[in-house]
Order: sequence, then C-alpha cells, then structure tokens
Amino acid sequence: NAGVTQTPKFRVLKTGQSMTLLCAQDMNHEYMYWYRQDPGMGLRLIHYSVGEGTTAKGEVPDGYNVSRLKKQNFLLGLESAAPSQTSVYFCASSFPGQGRFDYGYTFGSGTRLTVV
Amino acid sequence: EDQVTQSPEALRLQEGESSSLNCSYTVSGLRGLFWYRQDPGKGPEFLFTLYSAGEEKEKERLKATLTKKESFLHITAPKPEDSATYLCAVQARGNKLVFGAGTILRVKS
Repeated sequence: NAGVTQTPKFRVLKTGQSMTLLCAQDMNHEYMYWYRQDPGMGLRLIHYSVGEGTTAKGEVPDGYNVSRLKKQNFLLGLESAAPSQTSVYFCASSFPGQGRFDYGYTFGSGTRLTVV
Repeated sequence: EDQVTQSPEALRLQEGESSSLNCSYTVSGLRGLFWYRQDPGKGPEFLFTLYSAGEEKEKERLKATLTKKESFLHITAPKPEDSATYLCAVQARGNKLVFGAGTILRVKS
C-alpha cells in the first residue's frame, strides 16, 4: 500500500518554463488537494477536488491549473513558472466519512521546486 | 476568515523536560481540529483529531486537548526522536483544512 505518491521529488525550472506535478493515491479516496509550503507561512491550499472530474480553487490558485481525469490521480500544472512559485508542493487525499475527516489527510512526501 | 495561530514558533527542550505547544483558532463552526507531525523532507503525518471542547487524546508521550478557542499538544518527558515540526489544522465549513505555520520542536539529549 503506497498511499500518496508524488512525482517528481525535485525539479529546477527556468522562469517561463512549464511543468506538471503528478499525484497518485491508491486508497480510493474521494478528495484530493494540492498545497504549497513556504517557511513561516504553513501549508496553503492551491486547488482541490471532491471527486473525479471536479476541481475547485483554494487560497492561492493564481498561476496554477489542475485536472482530475481519474479518481486516483490529481495533476498540478504550472504554465509559465515564476520565481515566486519556488516552494515545496504537497499533495494530500482524504475520505470524507460523513463530512468529517476522522483520519485527517494522507500526505505525499512532497516535490521541491526551484524556479530560477 | 478562518485562522490558526501556533506558538511558539520554535521550542528547544532537554530530554525529559515536559512542555506544551499551543494552537489558537478562530473559525465559524469548528468541525474538527487536527494535529500533524512533520519530519524534515517529508510530508505531514496525522496524529490526532479532536471534535469538541473538553476532548482529549493520547499517543505515547503526546496528549492533545481542546477548548473552545485553542488546543494544546502536551509532550511528557520528550526524547530526541520527538524532534519535528508539529502542525495544527482546523476544518470549518466545507471540505478543506486550514493549517497553522507550525512549531519546530528540538529535543536535545
């Protein structure tokens, strides 16, 4: 049971380049999330999905796009990377369980992205 | 707007020196408060969920408590392996968690 798997683990981009971060979960969770983590600012929600084919904006969505074509996968895209997007990106998934997250979120191990 | 504030930002303890981490929150209709542990270079790992004031949960040397305005994570007789960043999060409306910035705990032997 792998849980939540993120690829790649590290990436360096030049300003203006594009890339896609992949998140895959094998727990049959309905909900999936993308967060970014910056020093002193905690985890901030970028986009999330409550089911296959659905996506919604979080707290800091600008400059990012997402897709959830399959229940187990959630993709985060950067169309034109900027230095402000240098961060550690975490994917998470959860099972709502009557609207409550009894067991919280399951997180991946993160992708460290540097934009130069 | 839902907000979570954790204090202190960093805490250094000697092995065996008990202490507490604080998580204060302002939300409209708390549906759950969560504690996570995060080791360097890894994703957060779920520890506890608390739902109502007065509730307590324990796991090894950790004990989490909840009031109407804040939660405490008590660490009893910590060991070096308890060193990590501890994150607090709240679920209010909808399906999202709002996280605090975390407390970095260092336990020296």
